[in-house]
Amino acid sequence: EDQVTQSPEALRLQEGESSSLNCSYTVSGLRGLFWYRQDPGKGPEFLFTLYSAGEEKEKERLKATLTKKESFLHITAPKPEDSATYLCAVRTTQGGSEKLVFGKGMKLTVNP
Amino acid sequence: SQTIHQWPATLVQPVGSPLSLECTVEGTSNPNLYWYRQAAGRGLQLLFYSVGIGQISSEVPQNLSASRPQDRQFILSSKKLLLSDSGFYLCARQSSYNSPLHFGNGTRLTVT
Repeated sequence: EDQVTQSPEALRLQEGESSSLNCSYTVSGLRGLFWYRQDPGKGPEFLFTLYSAGEEKEKERLKATLTKKESFLHITAPKPEDSATYLCAVRTTQGGSEKLVFGKGMKLTVNP
Repeated sequence: SQTIHQWPATLVQPVGSPLSLECTVEGTSNPNLYWYRQAAGRGLQLLFYSVGIGQISSEVPQNLSASRPQDRQFILSSKKLLLSDSGFYLCARQSSYNSPLHFGNGTRLTVT
């Protein structure tokens, strides 16, 4: 069964304290890995797509990386406005059809 | 524009009442459209997706249904709501093959 696991479930950081969020996956036929940011009461906002192991994407203080088994979202010198829930999703192929499997998310709190 | 309109933003309905949630999208024609439900502590659950007018695929057997009467309109319905239907309902669009999903800001449904 396809699975996407995010860890930790919640993380508290001080402003400027860099860290990484992990998304591990067990799927058949990876077609892409997606990172989203979700603010309370809002829909997920697309951040990155990664398609192959070794690929990296950056946006401001965020950097996403991908291996054959997991992806990391590195947050460098975070600010309070980076506080949000971060979702990881993997697109897989199974039996000729595609599906998107989401992790449960990781709630990040950055204290000033 | 990737704008996705969902309404209402919040809804409180009694058990046994009907439901109609509407989603309209702007931008490219013939997008793939999706309905997801997000429950606290759980990942996003795909409910329905549509690749074109009148074409609906259901992922989870339940008392909900979906329709796509126009290219950019996607409707989620129920004839009789259950308590377990409470949750955060998200509409999403996909513009082209293997592109990321973009989400609306959701409808918070509380069934009492």
